[in-house]
Amino acid sequence: EVQLVQSGPEVKKPGESLKISCQASGYSFSNYWTAWVRQMPGKGLEWMGIVYPGDSNTRYSPSFQGQVTMSADMSTSTAYLQWSSLKASDTAMYYCARQISGDNPLDVWGQGTTVTVSS
Amino acid sequence: SYELTQAPSVSVSPGETARITCSGDALPKQYAFWYQQKPGQAPVLVISKDTERPSGIPERFSGSSSGTTATLTIRGVQAEDEADYYCHSADSSATYVVFGGGTKVTVL
Repeated sequence: EVQLVQSGPEVKKPGESLKISCQASGYSFSNYWTAWVRQMPGKGLEWMGIVYPGDSNTRYSPSFQGQVTMSADMSTSTAYLQWSSLKASDTAMYYCARQISGDNPLDVWGQGTTVTVSS
Repeated sequence: SYELTQAPSVSVSPGETARITCSGDALPKQYAFWYQQKPGQAPVLVISKDTERPSGIPERFSGSSSGTTATLTIRGVQAEDEADYYCHSADSSATYVVFGGGTKVTVL
């Protein structure tokens, strides 16, 4: 079965760092892009960016460039999204999803990771 | 930056047809994809590449695209179709990938 399993919920304080994960199974992880999507409470979906595990190529939305770092580890079929200094405005649900190429859909989604940033 | 525009909400009676539109300047050149999201759940792909229905998606879901507008149509709406629907596409150079703001479909 093709699936993406994300790490559990996180509660952090402003200024702390965080790395959340998305582990793939059932397909060739290195041949698909992994996208990250933010959904703030009660709001819509926002495309954050994408990472290609095969060569660690990344592309970020201008809104998220410099705010987060995406990476991938082919040895564990896991993609990562990390922050060096969290803000309260980073409070959201974060989804990973796979995409074979830019003109194809996000066809498999993780279950989401809730990140809460509060002092 | 590129934007896709969706109406915030659509209301429809059971058995009727719901049409959800997505407008964007690059849609004549780029595919539109549609996702359904129910409360507390991850999005699910319901239409790919403007018109393709993935395996497992009911036949009442269909997609079309003309000019700068893509449309998701749900014929014979059922109560279980009540959800948020998002379109997804890219700008003409495929530099910016965006989601529309989402349309909440309410089944009366």
